[in-house]
This record gives sequence, C-alpha cells and structure tokens, in this order.
Amino acid sequence: KAGVTQTPRYLIKTRGQQVTLSCSPISGHRSVSWYQQTPGQGLQFLFEYFSETQRNKGNFPGRFSGRQFSNSRSEMNVSTLELGDSALYLCASSWGQGTGELFFGEGSRLTVL
Amino acid sequence: AQTVTQSQPEMSVQEAETVTLSCTYDTSESDYYLFWYKQPPSRQMILVIRQEAYKQQNATENRFSVNFQKAAKSFSLKISDSQLGDAAMYFCAYRRRSGGGADGLTFGKGTHLIIQP
Repeated sequence: KAGVTQTPRYLIKTRGQQVTLSCSPISGHRSVSWYQQTPGQGLQFLFEYFSETQRNKGNFPGRFSGRQFSNSRSEMNVSTLELGDSALYLCASSWGQGTGELFFGEGSRLTVL
Repeated sequence: AQTVTQSQPEMSVQEAETVTLSCTYDTSESDYYLFWYKQPPSRQMILVIRQEAYKQQNATENRFSVNFQKAAKSFSLKISDSQLGDAAMYFCAYRRRSGGGADGLTFGKGTHLIIQP
C-alpha cells in the first residue's frame, strides 16, 4: 500500500511568486491535512480537508489556501511568497475526519529567496 | 488555546538502556487524543504511539510505552532497550475531538534523542 506522496520534494522560489504543492493520500483515506515545519516555529497546523471541504483551519494568513479533489488528492497554494514562508510543508492523511491517527508524507521543502 | 510542552530539547541514552521523554499539555477539554511521533533524519513523521484521553490504561507498543497522567496533564514516553534506529526527533502532539471530528494536531517543540553505541 503506497504511503502519502508529496510533490515536488524540493523547490526554490523568489519573493512575490506563488507556489502550489500537491499531496496524494493513502488509498482509501478521505482526510488530508497540511502542516508547516520551521526551525523557529516548529510544526504548525495549516488546514484540514475532508470530502472536498475545509473542516479546520490554523492561524495562517489568507495567502495560504488549499483544496481537495474528489479523489481526495489535495493541493495547497501560497501566494505572494515571503522569506518567512521557507519551510518544510508536510501533508498527512487519515481515513476519516477526527479518527486521530495521521499518516505523514515526506514533505515538500520550499526555499524562498 | 492548547499548548504542548516538551522540556527536554535533547536527550542521550546508551544503546539497550531505557529513556523517558517528557511532555505536558494544557487544555480545558476532556475528550482528546495524545500522540508521540518520531521524525528521523529522512524527515518522514512516523506515529509511535497514541492514547485516547478517556482510556485510563496506558498505551503500549512493543518497546514503547506511555505514562498518561490526565489530571496532571502529563504524557511521557518510555523507550525500553534503546536501539540505534530509535535516534530521531520525537514530537508529542495533542488533538482535540469535537463534534464528530477533531482539530488539527498541536505539536510540542520536539526532543532530539541521541543513542550512544
């Protein structure tokens, strides 16, 4: 059974650009959530999607957005990139909302220059 | 807002010995999950163990066990017979259950576990 797949694994952008990250959950999982990991702030929750609807949202500005497709795949988008957006973005999936256990992907490492 | 505190930024233990990682959390809720996740240098976060707040019995997974003290809001992880492969960052995490669903995970800052051969 394939795990959570995130693409791209690494990317470099410049300030002001936008970026889209993709996440394919484990087959059968319908919930996808996103986390930002930085050395300073640690791991922070961005948002969670279930059945194509955003169910929960963390404390991030509106530049951070996401969506989920009917096949449960999810994308997150960051517009008008800032230097502080440099981070490892982790996607996690679970079979249902609120079931507790999350399975994480390897992450997408974003560097903003 | 819920907070999770891991007071040990780094711990070191000899191979085959036992080590305990500390975690405390702050919440006014009664229904929640607690987790320990491991993040090796390859960066993929792996679930080590989970505990549901309504269960009084401490969770155990092979060499990993927890000491869950709900009143004290404490959730420590004990690793027995430490192995070189246990070296990683360990994160304690909290997840509130609500309305049939659950909030996002709130993580602690992590404990870097070093295994000395």
